[in-house]
Amino acid sequence: QQQVKQSPQSLIVQKGGISIINCAYENTAFDYFPWYQQFPGKGPALLIAIRPDVSEKKEGRFTISFNKSAKQFSLHIMDSQPGDSATYFCAASRTDSWGKLQFGAGTQVVVTP
Amino acid sequence: DTGVSQDPRHKITKRGQNVTFRCDPISEHNRLYWYRQTLGQGPEFLTYFQNEAQLEKSRLLSDRFSAERPKGSFSTLEIQRTEQGDSAMYLCASSLDRTSGMNNEQFFGPGTRLTVL
Repeated sequence: QQQVKQSPQSLIVQKGGISIINCAYENTAFDYFPWYQQFPGKGPALLIAIRPDVSEKKEGRFTISFNKSAKQFSLHIMDSQPGDSATYFCAASRTDSWGKLQFGAGTQVVVTP
Repeated sequence: DTGVSQDPRHKITKRGQNVTFRCDPISEHNRLYWYRQTLGQGPEFLTYFQNEAQLEKSRLLSDRFSAERPKGSFSTLEIQRTEQGDSAMYLCASSLDRTSGMNNEQFFGPGTRLTVL
């Protein structure tokens, strides 16, 4: 049973465009929602994270939007660059569950020049 | 480099052989996690250590899998009698305990890619 559902599976965006990736969760006990970026042959690297007490968090060109009532959160990559081409994973964890992460299936983003 | 390191980076083995992977977490991190990632999927939780204590094991971790973290420092993951279905990337991550006031930011190592022939 996948606890975090991620879409789309892949997307292609032109340089300078906006990439949007969506995730939905069922478990209302989740209280930490990170996004990870992974390049081929590498481990995931934390990009940005949010807690449910805020609706939006921005770090540089990356923004998380969080909708607690809808149990959804999304990653927006502004001014997408070819170097952003990677696989992005959303995840969720619970404070009372040792912080183990439940990951989405991933979105492969390709930024064309 | 003060990040999480894993060794080996790649391992090819024949079905039925035993393999062991090592993870060295960030030195001050007391939490250590093992995940498994198959092609085209997100990482799946395998097991968790708080210092040297193994506090949780996923149902994915069959009795052929064993993990240790002696002295609360590095960790090893051993797979006995490997099967072709064990082929995957095995990822290690570490973090600081939330009770210290820090968030649950997990730092991942580069992974060990296992291929079982």
